Amino acid sequence: QKEVEQNSGPLSVPEGAIASLNCTYSDRVSQSFFWYRQYSGKSPELIMSIYSNGDKEDGRFTAQLNKASQYVSLLIRDSQPSDSATYLCAVNPNDYKLSFGAGTTVTVRA
Amino acid sequence: EAQVTQNPRYLITVTGKKLTVTCSQNMNHEYMSWYRQDPGLGLRQIYYSMNVEVTDKGDVPEGYKVSRKEKRNFPLILESPSPNQTSLYFCASSPGLARDEQFFGPGTRLTVL
Repeated sequence: QKEVEQNSGPLSVPEGAIASLNCTYSDRVSQSFFWYRQYSGKSPELIMSIYSNGDKEDGRFTAQLNKASQYVSLLIRDSQPSDSATYLCAVNPNDYKLSFGAGTTVTVRA
Repeated sequence: EAQVTQNPRYLITVTGKKLTVTCSQNMNHEYMSWYRQDPGLGLRQIYYSMNVEVTDKGDVPEGYKVSRKEKRNFPLILESPSPNQTSLYFCASSPGLARDEQFFGPGTRLTVL
């Protein structure tokens, strides 16, 4: 079982719609959770971090964490073509390790 | 400008020819890490360093070496590269720990023939 699992996609959504990305993790002791965005040919960049159960909103992005079910999700509201990218879920099982999922590719069609 | 730099950006080499990929950060970060990215597998951690002279293995350390003699530099060494090390490599740094925001370098695309 992979430590962090994501649907690889591609996830195609129309402009203005909500994109919903899911991620599950296997290590119950994980405390920190992240969403990184990676444009084609570029390096990953952090867009959201979440540490406690519930929702965290930042602009058009909302991260949701449920530690009991071991999943974390990302909602992108009012999707724009500039949101077309691969979204990487990352989980921090201890202070020094960061485990990434394989990523979900999102395409926003105009 | 705060940044992580890697060199070279692209490298084609042959099996067994030792190579070094350099990584440098100018943010005075303590934590540095190397990842490889392969299709369908995502980013996998190779090695990380918590500070000068302190390094440890990640998930896929076989065939790689690292050193951290200075805080700003964290080179990745392939003593005898093999074709299965063909990949996209990223160096990253963060202020203190892996749970801090990781700042990634631009990546090094390595092909081993």
